[in-house]
Amino acid sequence: GESVGLHLPTLSVQEGDNSIINCAYSNSASDYFIWYKQESGKGPQFIIDIRSNMDKRQGQRVTVLLNKTVKHLSLQIAATQPGDSAVYFCAEMSDNAGNMLTFGGGTRLMVKP
Amino acid sequence: AAGVIQSPRHLIKEKRETATLKCYPIPRHDTVYWYQQGPGQDPQFLISFYEKMQSDKGSIPDRFSAQQFSDYHSELNMSSLELGDSALYFCASSLADGFSGNTIYFGEGSWLTVV
Repeated sequence: GESVGLHLPTLSVQEGDNSIINCAYSNSASDYFIWYKQESGKGPQFIIDIRSNMDKRQGQRVTVLLNKTVKHLSLQIAATQPGDSAVYFCAEMSDNAGNMLTFGGGTRLMVKP
Repeated sequence: AAGVIQSPRHLIKEKRETATLKCYPIPRHDTVYWYQQGPGQDPQFLISFYEKMQSDKGSIPDRFSAQQFSDYHSELNMSSLELGDSALYFCASSLADGFSGNTIYFGEGSWLTVV
C-alpha cells in the first residue's frame, strides 16, 4: 500500500548546527504534507506544512522542501537548539483519501550541547 | 489558545475489560480523528468524524467503536481489551471545509495500559 517513510531513524547534531530530516513518500496523489514534532509522552506538535503546488515553505527557523519528482520531503531546522530534540514525523494527506493523515516513520533528533 | 483536550490522561485496565476515552476538540473544529501509537511506532489512523458522521475508517478493530456527539466531542469505546491494545491514543481535530489542507492539531494523548 501507499506509505510514507523516513531514511534515517536517528540524527545527532551539534547545538547551533543546521539539521536536515528527510522523508520519502510513495503516494503520487499526496497533495498536502505536514511535519510534526513529538516529544516523549506528548502529542504530535504541528511544525510546518506544505501543499503539492509549492516547492518550499519557510517558518521560524524551519524550512520544508518538497520534490515531487522524486517524492521527497525534507525539514530543515536552522541553528538547532537542545529544545529541538524530539522525534519528527512527516505525514501526508491526499484529496482522494479524505481527511486521513498518514504518518511516516519518525526520526529522532538528538542535539548535543 | 485552547487545544485538543483528552481524558483520561492515563488509564489502566485488565484484559477483557472495557475503556472509554474522551476527546474535546478545539472550539469550532468540526472534525475529529483518533490515532493509536504503540511504543516506538508511528501514529496509526483509527477513525475520523466530520459533523458527527463517520468520515474515514482506518485500522480500528471491530472491538472498538467511536462516535462524535452534538457538541463535537468524541468518545472512543474499547471492549474486550487485549494486552496489545496498550498504547498511546491520540485525538486530533481540524476545521474541515471540504478539501484537504486544514491543519490538524493533536491532543496530548491518553495512555492506556492493559494488564
